[in-house]
Amino acid sequence: GIQVEQSPPDLILQEGANSTLRCNFSDSVNNLQWFHQNPWGQLINLFYIPSGTKQNGRLSATTVATERYSLLYISSSQTTDSGVYFCAVGRPGGTSYGKLTFGQGTILTVHP
Amino acid sequence: DAGVIQSPRHEVTEMGQEVTLRCKPISGHDYLFWYRQTMMRGLELLIYFNNNVPIDDSGMPEDRFSAKMPNASFSTLKIQPSEPRDSAVYFCASSSIQGRPGGETQYFGPGTRLLVL
Repeated sequence: GIQVEQSPPDLILQEGANSTLRCNFSDSVNNLQWFHQNPWGQLINLFYIPSGTKQNGRLSATTVATERYSLLYISSSQTTDSGVYFCAVGRPGGTSYGKLTFGQGTILTVHP
Repeated sequence: DAGVIQSPRHEVTEMGQEVTLRCKPISGHDYLFWYRQTMMRGLELLIYFNNNVPIDDSGMPEDRFSAKMPNASFSTLKIQPSEPRDSAVYFCASSSIQGRPGGETQYFGPGTRLLVL
């Protein structure tokens, strides 16, 4: 199956700093989503971004599908950004439709 | 919309007991997914349904696990008999594909934390 690698595994920031999280995947995809799991365990969808660039407030994401990677940018980080960030991808075809494979996540800690 | 609803939120049971987890997807969504999250294995897809029909159950760990979706607004994941290694957080998610080639945004429920003693 497809492999999804996220880096860095852990990231510690001071409030106000910027960061970039990376997601590499081993095969072509037609679905890519970024999620944030907060300290209470809730998984929140941040972006649906199989290609291109999107922005939502302090967060933005870019996927270069031909080079098999995606980046999540967090600017002016806040303590509420702490948690685990997951990248999840989906392959085209057959029973893969809609099915996501998750990376292991990046644990982000933002200190005040 | 209330989002994806899961019950119970926490379950503690003894080895050998039957466990039933419940999920109500977002109204109008035609895909429903069951995931399991553990420290060792991360987030794994167990099974998913389209229009109440199971499409891919290749992630179901063994015959002790079963899932049903009797109608568009309800699904269950059952473990019988339960074992300590089944302890995990079980998430339900739903989406509405709406013709996108790769599928749509998935919305997750709050999860059920299962502890099997």
